[in-house]
Amino acid sequence: GAVVSQHPSWVICKSGTSVKIECRSLDFQATTMFWYRQFPKQSLMLMATSNEGSKATYEQGVEKDKFLINHASLTLSTLTVTSAHPEDSSFYICSAASAGQGAYEQYFGPGTRLTVT
Amino acid sequence: AQSVTQPDIHITVSEGASLELRCNYSYGATPYLFWYVQSPGQGLQLLLKYFSGDTLVQGIKGFEAEFKRSQSSFNLRKPSVHWSDAAEYFCASDSWGKLQFGAGTQVVVTP
Repeated sequence: GAVVSQHPSWVICKSGTSVKIECRSLDFQATTMFWYRQFPKQSLMLMATSNEGSKATYEQGVEKDKFLINHASLTLSTLTVTSAHPEDSSFYICSAASAGQGAYEQYFGPGTRLTVT
Repeated sequence: AQSVTQPDIHITVSEGASLELRCNYSYGATPYLFWYVQSPGQGLQLLLKYFSGDTLVQGIKGFEAEFKRSQSSFNLRKPSVHWSDAAEYFCASDSWGKLQFGAGTQVVVTP
């Protein structure tokens, strides 16, 4: 149980285009989803927290207009990187938690490798 | 602010030998602590967690960790390492409902 999927697993896009990454909780309802960014050989950096049906809360320094997060249902959250640039190339990982657990029990997706050319 | 430190960036261990990964936290109260493992190009898998109670925590894949308040540590151990244990290991603590990760320790297993 507690499986989280991400799609796509990797994507290459041209500079200036937008890319959408999906995060799904397959066998549980995720009231809270988290989006992380990971640079090579580095740790995970929390970008934003999203609760189903409400606006995402972004961490300091993360551009909310560039990284659009939507958590429209209890099983799906999306991250859209708008007007992507090469510096947005990174490994994006989502995690999901169900009600009453918050960050205590986060289940992580396999990640999405974004390369912007 | 609460933080997690992993002093060792890289550790090389022989297959069959024991492994210990260090993790130190800075937090006044008892933190919620986690160890995750990440294989190359993959997401994170939870190895074990500590919330309260018994300070020696058993996890999956033969790992265990011991919470030591006096040393502000939560070190991860495995008695006998397998080649499949080669990966990146992250210690994390819960900070106001969000996970704070350490920098990670890369484990290399040699034959």
